[in-house]
Amino acid sequence: AQSVSQHNHHVILSEAASLELGCNYSYGGTVNLFWYVQYPGQHLQLLLKYFSGDPLVKGIKGFEAEFIKSKFSFNLRKPSVQWSDTAEYFCAVNALGGGATNKLIFGTGTLLAVQP
Amino acid sequence: KAGVTQTPRYLIKTRGQQVTLSCSPISGHRSVSWYQQTPGQGLQFLFEYFSETQRNKGNFPGRFSGRQFSNSRSEMNVSTLELGDSALYLCASSLDPGTQYFGPGTRLTVL
Repeated sequence: AQSVSQHNHHVILSEAASLELGCNYSYGGTVNLFWYVQYPGQHLQLLLKYFSGDPLVKGIKGFEAEFIKSKFSFNLRKPSVQWSDTAEYFCAVNALGGGATNKLIFGTGTLLAVQP
Repeated sequence: KAGVTQTPRYLIKTRGQQVTLSCSPISGHRSVSWYQQTPGQGLQFLFEYFSETQRNKGNFPGRFSGRQFSNSRSEMNVSTLELGDSALYLCASSLDPGTQYFGPGTRLTVL
């Protein structure tokens, strides 16, 4: 069965520190990849996505992610975090093939706390 | 453009009852998916509808069902509620194929 792993469940950083959140998926075929963010009290918002092309994608608020096909990974990065980045981050995969679907498989999420 | 809307936002039910949740997608989006979010299981896919047809279904019991109307609005129904059904139920809409945009969710509490 397809699955998504996020290795960091809880991350605590100081402001201006660099961030990297890991995401690995298990599926041998073509995928669309996403990072969503859920700020406290708010609904899930799209941070960035990868469908095809340049494996380094840039999203909102200075976030970027790199798709490494050989490693089945889609890690999220930000060079310098801010207190306002405190949120829960979810990696998600849409496995293509076997019929049209927008179904997303989510990782378990990473809770990021940024200390001022 | 208005986002995905879900009603009601909060719901309290007792075991054995049934519940219907509603979702209005972004205008022009014909694909609607439902997810259950709990602290223990995270975000799990329930089902997806496209053009009034269920296109994909997650691993949930038959008590969970849904439908989509001709205007792309969708409802999901849970019958014979159990305590474990307490969760945030999220609806997402998208173009096809496309990125899913999520609504604020319906918080269901089963007592």
